[in-house]
Amino acid sequence: NAGVMQNPRHLVRRRGQEARLRCSPVKGHSHVYWYRQLPEEGLKFMVYLQKENIIDESGMPKERFSAEFPKEGPSILRIQQVVRGDSAAYFCASSSGDRGRKLFFGSGTQLSVL
Amino acid sequence: GENVGLHLPTLSVQEGDNSIINCAYSNSASDYFIWYKQESGKGPQFIIDIRSNMDKRQGQRVTVLLNKTVKHLSLQIAATQPGDSAVYFCAENTGSGGGADGLTFGKGTHLIIQP
Repeated sequence: NAGVMQNPRHLVRRRGQEARLRCSPVKGHSHVYWYRQLPEEGLKFMVYLQKENIIDESGMPKERFSAEFPKEGPSILRIQQVVRGDSAAYFCASSSGDRGRKLFFGSGTQLSVL
Repeated sequence: GENVGLHLPTLSVQEGDNSIINCAYSNSASDYFIWYKQESGKGPQFIIDIRSNMDKRQGQRVTVLLNKTVKHLSLQIAATQPGDSAVYFCAENTGSGGGADGLTFGKGTHLIIQP
């Protein structure tokens, strides 16, 4: 059984470009979460999605950031017009959706903005 | 706001010794707690979880203790091995600020195993 798959593993962008991060959840999981992690920091919640719906985006910046989880295909975290402060590791996690169930994490995408 | 925090940012132990990693939480409404292990360059890996109706749970070489009176969580690792070197995060299920599963993460403790 494949776990949470994220790609690319590393992404380098110049300031002003767009970054697209992809996440395929554990097979059978319909709930996806995106977290951001800075060096030596914990994981900060960004957004929680179910298929075709954004359930909670309270942790996501209001501008430049967007996320989707279409009916078919992976979840996408999109960052437009990237700035150096966007450099971080972005982790995706999935769950079956039941409250109090553990999240399974992917290996993350390391975004570097030059 | 309410949050999860860790007492020690770095813990160094001798190989073969037991280690204890502590975590304080402040949200009395939290009813589910998880410990994750994160090795360098990898995503967090589930270690063990515990619900608020329990005060102790054991896994393979790991034990989690929950003290709701003082809002304290600890992870005990027995007979530490080099592979235990990692950053350990506690997370609590607050039901908010993290989606339906509402996981809020602490900052992490870096466990270093000395040979």
